[in-house]
Amino acid sequence: AQSVAQPEDQVNVAEGNPLTVKCTYSVSGNPYLFWYVQYPNRGLQFLLKYITGDNLVKGSYGFEAEFNKSQTSFHLKKPSALVSDSALYFCAVRDERNKLVFGAGTILRVKS
Amino acid sequence: EAGVAQSPRYKIIEKRQSVAFWCNPISGHATLYWYQQILGQGPKLLIQFQNNGVVDDSQLPKDRFSAERLKGVDSTLKIQPAKLEDSAVYLCASSLGHLGAETQYFGPGTRLLVL
Repeated sequence: AQSVAQPEDQVNVAEGNPLTVKCTYSVSGNPYLFWYVQYPNRGLQFLLKYITGDNLVKGSYGFEAEFNKSQTSFHLKKPSALVSDSALYFCAVRDERNKLVFGAGTILRVKS
Repeated sequence: EAGVAQSPRYKIIEKRQSVAFWCNPISGHATLYWYQQILGQGPKLLIQFQNNGVVDDSQLPKDRFSAERLKGVDSTLKIQPAKLEDSAVYLCASSLGHLGAETQYFGPGTRLLVL
């Protein structure tokens, strides 16, 4: 079955520093991978997705993600973190029935 | 463009009571999803509609949960009777189609507390 793992419950980074939120996946066939962000008391907001093509995907709010097939990873990155980036981040993969399967989420805390 | 609308935003009920949630998807989106998000976990799909037909309801507890999407637009999710473990955020999402590359757009969710 398709699945994703987010190995870190929480990531702490100083404002202005680069950030990385990790995600690894397990799929049969070509993966469709997604990143969403959730602010307190809000729904999930779409950041970016990988379908095919360039391994570096650019998304909303300056975020990007790097698809690495050999390491089965899809890490979310941003060159310079903002305090307003503090939120809960979810990685997700489409399974064989076209259903989105989410990871458990990673809390990102950016300190000024 | 208006996003996915949900109501109510919050609901508190006692166990064994019934509750209903409403969702209005983005205009033109044929596919609608209901997810359950328990605190500390990622969202879990309950049911997926393509227009007004059910595509996947394999994880819907059908003894107490029901959902409908009459006319292929708005949808209602009902729980009857509610249990303590139903306390969660119920998220509605929609997408243009149901193929693998389609992006799902989420509403703000309904936070349910069962006492």
